[in-house]
Amino acid sequence: GAVVSQHPSRVICKSGTSVKIECRSLDFQATTMFWYRQFPKQSLMLMATSNEGSKATYEQGVEKDKFLINHASLTLSTLTVTSAHPEDSSFYICSARVLAGGFEETQYFGPGTRLLVL
Amino acid sequence: RKEVEQDPGPFNVPEGATVAFNCTYSNSASQSFFWYRQDCRKEPKLLMSVYSSGNEDGRFTAQLNRASQYISLLIRDSKLSDSATYLCVVSRTGFQKLVFGTGTRLLVSP
Repeated sequence: GAVVSQHPSRVICKSGTSVKIECRSLDFQATTMFWYRQFPKQSLMLMATSNEGSKATYEQGVEKDKFLINHASLTLSTLTVTSAHPEDSSFYICSARVLAGGFEETQYFGPGTRLLVL
Repeated sequence: RKEVEQDPGPFNVPEGATVAFNCTYSNSASQSFFWYRQDCRKEPKLLMSVYSSGNEDGRFTAQLNRASQYISLLIRDSKLSDSATYLCVVSRTGFQKLVFGTGTRLLVSP
């Protein structure tokens, strides 16, 4: 299937710092990428939809000024957690929607980034 | 009420057993339905889409009941490698916006 990578796979940072997470589609172009967050024993929650070349669409309750999303190219979207606090500690997963190119239409997920804010 | 509800389990079954999971969804406007599998501390992976007519993929059978708004997944001849969390996922707009259930954990033992 299509491959989506994320970097870093895990990060530990001090409270108040900013953390950038990269999501890349390796063998296809993704006009739409999605950012999810998953807390322990909970379901994946969509945070925002990232469209290449335009502003991201945020879900209700997600602060757009805290979670900055940039989708500058068809293969890269970034999520920056600004001024991270311990309650932001979570598993952040991106996905990319595939429509064509020989891949089954679906959302392919990256391996996730574990963020721990101390 | 959650939009997608699942029994969290865990379901403990021996190898070779048949096990079934159900999932209910609250939004009648939902158009697309899927089962994803998530291994511990890993990303979700698509197991199968679910169609109104029901569909089968090897040992896995998925069914959709629109009238009752529930989806089922049947796993026959369970393998140890089937141990994972199974996520029920619905969408109003195909693959554009997915709503995940909390998952049902399956443990297959020797």
